[in-house]
Amino acid sequence: GAVVSQHPSWVICKSGTSVKIECRSLDFQATTMFWYRQFPKQSLMLMATSNEGSKATYEQGVEKDKFLINHASLTLSTLTVTSAHPEDSSFYICSARFGTTSSYEQYFGPGTRLTVT
Amino acid sequence: AQKITQTQPGMFVQEKEAVTLDCTYDTSDQSYGLFWYKQPSSGEMIFLIYQGSYDEQNATEGRYSLNFQKARKSANLVISASQLGDSAMYFCAMSIYYNQGGKLIFGQGTELSVKP
Repeated sequence: GAVVSQHPSWVICKSGTSVKIECRSLDFQATTMFWYRQFPKQSLMLMATSNEGSKATYEQGVEKDKFLINHASLTLSTLTVTSAHPEDSSFYICSARFGTTSSYEQYFGPGTRLTVT
Repeated sequence: AQKITQTQPGMFVQEKEAVTLDCTYDTSDQSYGLFWYKQPSSGEMIFLIYQGSYDEQNATEGRYSLNFQKARKSANLVISASQLGDSAMYFCAMSIYYNQGGKLIFGQGTELSVKP
């Protein structure tokens, strides 16, 4: 099956610093990647959709300048949390899909747990 | 707007018994996909089962089956012969490709606890 990795799996950073999270599709080319955020005991909320070579599309209420998404290649997308604050502490999960047909299937990474102190 | 509703925040089931997790959805699109995912405490999202809006047969995957009632806009997950390892959060999700780029919209989730 298709495999998606995330790095790091967990990170602790100080308030005001920036953190980069990588999402890689290991055995397929991901035309589209999605970034989700999940707070404890809550559901996954989509933050943005990124297509290779183009700007990410952010969901309403998500700050574009705070959550920078780059999808530079067909196997890598990065999420950078800039000037992180304790309220940004969350579980961040990426998913990837391939193909341009009406294929609905997505493959999820294992997630990154971010703690901002 | 699309919406997924899971009305059971928590469910208990006895080991070896069957359990149904409820999911209703709302969309005006004709072409969509419905998913169920399992999320154990480790956080990974485990794909369980998929149902396309045009599929006439209910989807089945091992102990998992999806009771798809299109007119009622419901897509309930049935787990047969529950096991202790089934204890986890379960999320129902919907994907619409043509207008939404295939993004997933998730329900609130149901926490399933299997009792020995």
